[in-house]
Amino acid sequence: EADIYQTPRYLVIGTGKKITLECSQTMGHDKMYWYQQDPGMELHLIHYSYGVNSTEKGDLSSESTVSRIRTEHFPLTLESARPSHTSQYLCASSEEGHNSPLHFGNGTRLTVT
Amino acid sequence: GEDVEQSLFLSVREGDSSVINCTYTDSSSTYLYWYKQEPGAGLQLLTYIFSNMDMKQDQRLTVLLNKKDKHLSLRIADTQTGDSAIYFCAENPNAGNNRKLIWGLGTSLAVNP
Repeated sequence: EADIYQTPRYLVIGTGKKITLECSQTMGHDKMYWYQQDPGMELHLIHYSYGVNSTEKGDLSSESTVSRIRTEHFPLTLESARPSHTSQYLCASSEEGHNSPLHFGNGTRLTVT
Repeated sequence: GEDVEQSLFLSVREGDSSVINCTYTDSSSTYLYWYKQEPGAGLQLLTYIFSNMDMKQDQRLTVLLNKKDKHLSLRIADTQTGDSAIYFCAENPNAGNNRKLIWGLGTSLAVNP
């Protein structure tokens, strides 16, 4: 059973607010990822990290930022939320090594009004 | 470019077999994956197949790979209402680099009692 946790599960917030989506894993995985999932189900990689102090932008441009100060923690921040940021955000992690499967959290559903 | 295609919807009767199909374009793909997403949850790895295999069976799940046609299928025997979910096909065209997983749009499976 994967141990990766995301909080909050649901968030409704007004335009212009700063928000941080939390993601923590207790498996000691070096690799962590943030995906944005559109209402039509498509997954887009927006950030990833291969270890502490390592972060990279994903394939989809995003106004969010991430940090990786500790192995187990990979928070995502939006400095000024907009309605276009409304989406589901999924965090994942994987072991080092070839083709290790991704373990996903349950996601945060963000609505910006 | 790299692309993974799936049909968006499938409806089956409880007890029947379900077959979810996927086509991919990158012939260098080494691993192909099936993930399941239940409502309100993250993605869960169901099974995967290495590109030098034609078939993999795991309890009610059978994965068939046709490398010539770049076609992957997931068969679920004796489909149950608990199998209702979205099923994502993903390919890893770059061995050892999960960042480059290419995802399909997902197939929504509805199981009718």
